[in-house]
Amino acid sequence: QVQLVESGGGVVQPGRSLRLSCAASGFTFSDFGMHWVRQAPGKGLEWVAMIWYDGRNKYYADSVKGRFTISRDNSKNTLYLQMNNSRVEDTAVYYCAKQPSYPGHFDYWGQGALVTVSS
Amino acid sequence: SYVLSQPPSVSVAPGKTARITCGGDEIGRKSVHWYQQKPGQAPVLVIFYDGDRPSRIPERFSGSNSGNTATLTISRVEAGDEAGYFCQVWDSSSYHWVFGGGTRLTVL
Repeated sequence: QVQLVESGGGVVQPGRSLRLSCAASGFTFSDFGMHWVRQAPGKGLEWVAMIWYDGRNKYYADSVKGRFTISRDNSKNTLYLQMNNSRVEDTAVYYCAKQPSYPGHFDYWGQGALVTVSS
Repeated sequence: SYVLSQPPSVSVAPGKTARITCGGDEIGRKSVHWYQQKPGQAPVLVIFYDGDRPSRIPERFSGSNSGNTATLTISRVEAGDEAGYFCQVWDSSSYHWVFGGGTRLTVL
């Protein structure tokens, strides 16, 4: 079965960096686009970034563009999110999510990783 | 950017029908997807492409989309349906994915 397992969450100071990872299994990782979606405490869902199946194209929400970088290593079945210049408002649970063959929705989600940006 | 509007809360008695709306400009021209999220858990896809259901989701869950409103309908509501529900669309012109603010379903 499809499994997505995030890691790398924790506490980071404002302005510092953190890298999240998402280990995928149960499907052919290199065939599917992948996403990061976040949820601030007590708030709704916010799409963060997307990467094509082959890593050629990447898209970002305006709130993180220029600070966050999404990447993937298909040889390791792993998705990454490099968070630079962190802000207090980046505090959230970060989910990795798989999309089906055609862009549109998210058919599987990881359990999430909590990132707290605080001094 | 495209905006989706949901009521913050909906309440329904067990066994009745709950309807959760998602408003957006000409949303009927887009494909709408719905997620259920229980406290402390990751979201789960319950409806995709307006009205399709993943095999693991009960037939009590259905969806429709027309004009400026999409609707998630939960028939014969059970206590276990109490959760947050989020609508979502893909804005293909900007390659952005957009969520509604979410609706908290309370089973009385």
